[in-house]
Amino acid sequence: DAGITQSPRHKVTETGTPVTLRCHQTENHRYMYWYRQDPGHGLRLIHYSYGVKDTDKGEVSDGYSVSRSKTEDFLLTLESATSSQTSVYFCAISNGQGSLTNEKLFFGSGTQLSVL
Amino acid sequence: AQKITQTQPGMFVQEKEAVTLDCTYDTSDPSYGLFWYKQPSSGEMIFLIYQGSYDQQNATEGRYSLNFQKARKSANLVISASQLGDSAMYFCAMRDVDSSYKLIFGSGTRLLVRP
Repeated sequence: DAGITQSPRHKVTETGTPVTLRCHQTENHRYMYWYRQDPGHGLRLIHYSYGVKDTDKGEVSDGYSVSRSKTEDFLLTLESATSSQTSVYFCAISNGQGSLTNEKLFFGSGTQLSVL
Repeated sequence: AQKITQTQPGMFVQEKEAVTLDCTYDTSDPSYGLFWYKQPSSGEMIFLIYQGSYDQQNATEGRYSLNFQKARKSANLVISASQLGDSAMYFCAMRDVDSSYKLIFGSGTRLLVRP
């Protein structure tokens, strides 16, 4: 199994509070991703990183920010959580050594976030 | 338009029988990759199989095979000899130039294997 640890695994918070989710990898992979999973939508990309301090937006980035100060850590921050951000959040990694089309992702175990 | 379409929200299959999970995709790029992932009730995402758009043969991985019909833009997953442990959500996903080669997922199909 790929060495990916997400923390916390579960979190309940209140609307308007800041929340930070952490993804830690031990694989030294270049690329890291944050997805959210909601019923009927599959997984949707929030943000991704292609190197230390190099990040870019995905398809559902509004209300989220990310940071990557070290290869092994990728943080997802909800500056002011809203109920619509209640979801399961997955971190994923890839090594960047495949082609543009065949590179597969390895996923963490997910974080269940509830915003009340 | 939706890039990846999985039209079967849920399916049943009898243990030991084969089952096909449908996936259609939309792209104008001749170079793309198609993936299937499994998500059991425990929640982790498990890579199953990959098919490249230029691959001449359909991909196979053990009991999993991909029925790739390029002209119809379909990439159906076939699971042979279903087992109880195959009960899970299954997601089809694609990389192409339109997604900047980021992995884009369909909405998933929940498969339940009956004993």
